[in-house]
Amino acid sequence: KAGVTQTPRYLIKTRGQQVTLSCSPISGHRSVSWYQQTPGQGLQFLFEYFSETQRNKGNFPGRFSGRQFSNSRSEMNVSTLELGDSALYLCASSLAATNAYEQYFGPGTRLTVT
Amino acid sequence: KQEVTQIPAALSVPEGENLVLNCSFTDSAIYNLQWFRQDPGKGLTSLLLIQSSQREQTSGRLNASLDKSSGRSTLYIAASQPGDSATYLCAVIDTGNQFYFGTGTSLTVIP
Repeated sequence: KAGVTQTPRYLIKTRGQQVTLSCSPISGHRSVSWYQQTPGQGLQFLFEYFSETQRNKGNFPGRFSGRQFSNSRSEMNVSTLELGDSALYLCASSLAATNAYEQYFGPGTRLTVT
Repeated sequence: KQEVTQIPAALSVPEGENLVLNCSFTDSAIYNLQWFRQDPGKGLTSLLLIQSSQREQTSGRLNASLDKSSGRSTLYIAASQPGDSATYLCAVIDTGNQFYFGTGTSLTVIP
């Protein structure tokens, strides 16, 4: 079974631009979560989508948004990029069953904002 | 708000040694706890998932325990190998299905 895939793997943008990252979950997984990882803050939860609906949201500004499509693929968008948005963005998928919420992570997208 | 702490932040051991990584959390109302490893610049690889009703899980040379009442989990690695060198992260999952990650322990196994 193919794992979680993320595209692109690396991205360089300038301040003020916007960016869209993509995540394809493991086949059959209906939940997709997004995380931001930085050396200073560690791994921080952005949001989770389940069946095309945002189910949970972390403490990030409205510049960070996402969506999920009917095939469970998800996109994350960051508008008006700031230097502090430079990070590794990870997505994770899970079956979201009530008794087994094990998450499987993709390789991440490394975003550099200059 | 749930806070997850991992001690030590970094650990260096000779090959073959057994070791223990610690994870503590402030709110015992958790659903599950999951241990991951992360290699430099890469995503996270799931190691073990412990459900709240369980006390421990084992996979090969890895054993993870969970004590909800004291807010602690440990990851035991037996007979460490250089390939075990990575950052180990624990994450607690609350009853709202939100993940809270620890700060990680960077492990180096010296050949």
